[in-house]
Amino acid sequence: DILMTQSPSSVSASVGDRVTITCRASQDISSWLAWYQQKPGKAPKLLIYGAFNLQSGVPSRFSGSGFGTDFTLTINSLQPEDFATYYCQQANSFPSTFGQGTRLDIK
Amino acid sequence: QVQLVESGGGVVQPGRSLRLSCVASGFTFSNYAMHWVRQAPGKGLEWVAVVSYDGTTTHYADSVKGRFTISRDKSKNTLFLHMNSLGPEDTAVYYCARDLVELATTGDCYFDLWGRGTLVTVSS
Repeated sequence: DILMTQSPSSVSASVGDRVTITCRASQDISSWLAWYQQKPGKAPKLLIYGAFNLQSGVPSRFSGSGFGTDFTLTINSLQPEDFATYYCQQANSFPSTFGQGTRLDIK
Repeated sequence: QVQLVESGGGVVQPGRSLRLSCVASGFTFSNYAMHWVRQAPGKGLEWVAVVSYDGTTTHYADSVKGRFTISRDKSKNTLFLHMNSLGPEDTAVYYCARDLVELATTGDCYFDLWGRGTLVTVSS
């Protein structure tokens, strides 16, 4: 199975900051990567798919990049509603696997 | 309204079985591969299984292979997860999720629509 490793595990930031979360795959997954946002007690929400494609309805302050094994989710100008946990997921092969999550807290 | 609604969760003893359901509405259910994803309390997300849009192809996580069966009923717009030989490690919120891409056998494995989840607790 492909192991997905996110860093950091948690990060504190302020409204208006720029935050970057990284995700590393244990083998080449090309661009088969998604990012999700999850708030407590809620289902995850798809933000980015195909490493850099913004899902419909997701604000443009979210962006994704990367290819192969190293990927990044960037959130520009943090808004109060962005404080949540973020997961990467590889869709290159079954079984699909998720990173362990990055919790984004208010500083 | 485009939505997925899960049901069937509850408390079950170790070794017993349970069947989860997920009713889809507001979209053409038969055009999409469908997935189950679970989340143990306080833990991360774990993909569980997928069934192709036509119901002919399935894949499973190693942790559930041979114990869980995913299926779908086109006439009822319903996705199922039959779970056998349940253990404490299966305790989780189970989400059904729609694949992003229409008419792709097992989809692209991106999940653009999620239900609210149903909690399964395996305990004696």
